[in-house]
Amino acid sequence: NAGVTQTPKFRILKIGQSMTLQCTQDMNHNYMYWYRQDPGMGLKLIYYSVGAGITDKGEVPNGYNVSRSTTEDFPLRLELAAPSQTSVYFCASSYHGDNQPQHFGDGTRLSIL
Amino acid sequence: AQSVTQPDIHITVSEGASLELRCNYSYGATPYLFWYVQSPGQGLQLLLKYFSGDTLVQGIKGFEAEFKRSQSSFNLRKPSVHWSDAAEYFCAGVHGSGNTGKLIFGQGTTLQVKP
Repeated sequence: NAGVTQTPKFRILKIGQSMTLQCTQDMNHNYMYWYRQDPGMGLKLIYYSVGAGITDKGEVPNGYNVSRSTTEDFPLRLELAAPSQTSVYFCASSYHGDNQPQHFGDGTRLSIL
Repeated sequence: AQSVTQPDIHITVSEGASLELRCNYSYGATPYLFWYVQSPGQGLQLLLKYFSGDTLVQGIKGFEAEFKRSQSSFNLRKPSVHWSDAAEYFCAGVHGSGNTGKLIFGQGTTLQVKP
């Protein structure tokens, strides 16, 4: 089992460019999450999904979009990259809600210059 | 508002010494609580979790945590630290999320181990 796989691992973008961060899981988990991690801030939830076709905003959704067309995949889209979006992005998944631990990918380190 | 606080940003201990990392939560009722560890360049790995019942929970790698309702705390402990335990540690909680699993993370504590 690969678990949660994120691509790319590193990326540098110019201001105003767009890109998609990919996330896929092979554990047949219903719930998926996107977090960003900034130094000294812990992880902040961007978007989450409780199943295919269902997404909702987290704590810091501005500047991002998501889709969930399949159980396995949960891509995160940045439409107009801004320096404030420089961060490390983590995707996670769990079988279902509150009483299940989340499994994390290794992260995507994104720099906006 | 619900929150999870880790008061210590950075802790240094000597190899073989005991360790306690602090975590405080602010929830209206008992949340589900987790401790995760993050090694450099890696994702987060679950160390242990508390849902209910026995307030002392055992995890992987020799870690344990004790839930204390009266102190709103969920501190992580290890009796003897190994150099490989150097990493960043996150406490997280969830409650009242409508079963969405939306975790609230503490700021993290970086553990340095001296030889």
